[in-house]
Amino acid sequence: QKEVEQDPGPLSVPEGAIVSLNCTYSNSAFQYFMWYRQYSRKGPELLMYTYSSGNKEDGRFTAQVDKSSKYISLFIRDSQPSDSATYLCAMSLNFNKFYFGSGTKLNVKP
Amino acid sequence: NAGVTQTPKFRILKIGQSMTLQCTQDMNHNYMYWYRQDPGMGLKLIYYSVGAGITDKGEVPNGYNVSRSTTEDFPLRLELAAPSQTSVYFCAASGGPGTDTQYFGPGTRLTVL
Repeated sequence: QKEVEQDPGPLSVPEGAIVSLNCTYSNSAFQYFMWYRQYSRKGPELLMYTYSSGNKEDGRFTAQVDKSSKYISLFIRDSQPSDSATYLCAMSLNFNKFYFGSGTKLNVKP
Repeated sequence: NAGVTQTPKFRILKIGQSMTLQCTQDMNHNYMYWYRQDPGMGLKLIYYSVGAGITDKGEVPNGYNVSRSTTEDFPLRLELAAPSQTSVYFCAASGGPGTDTQYFGPGTRLTVL
């Protein structure tokens, strides 16, 4: 069983839509949860970082962690064509070893 | 402030050759990581370091070695290159737990023929 599962998409939405991206994980001991955005042929860029459970909001982005279900989500409000990228989730027990999902490719159509 | 820099950007190796991928950060971060990313896949951790002189294996360490003699530098050594090591390699640096800082370099595209 993979440590982290993520639907690869692609996910295509119209501009202005609310986007929901999700990951599930198997290790209930994970404490650190990250979301990254990766443009084609570039390095990942950290979008959101959450420790333990709960919600975190930053501008148009909201990250949610549900440890009881071993499920994390990233919501993007008022999506823009510039949000078109691959979104990767990652998680870790102690900030040493991070386990990544395979990434969801998002396309926001003008 | 350059962040995380990686050299070279591209490299083609023949089977059996060796090389070192360089990674340097100027943020004084203790945590550094090496990942590989195969096409259409997420990142897999090769090695990590929590400070100068301290390194440990990640998920896929076979065929690689690292050293961390300074806070700034974290080179990755490939010995006896194999086609299975064809990938994009990313180095990252982080302030560690309690900080929301994690910065990736631009990557090195390696092909082994």
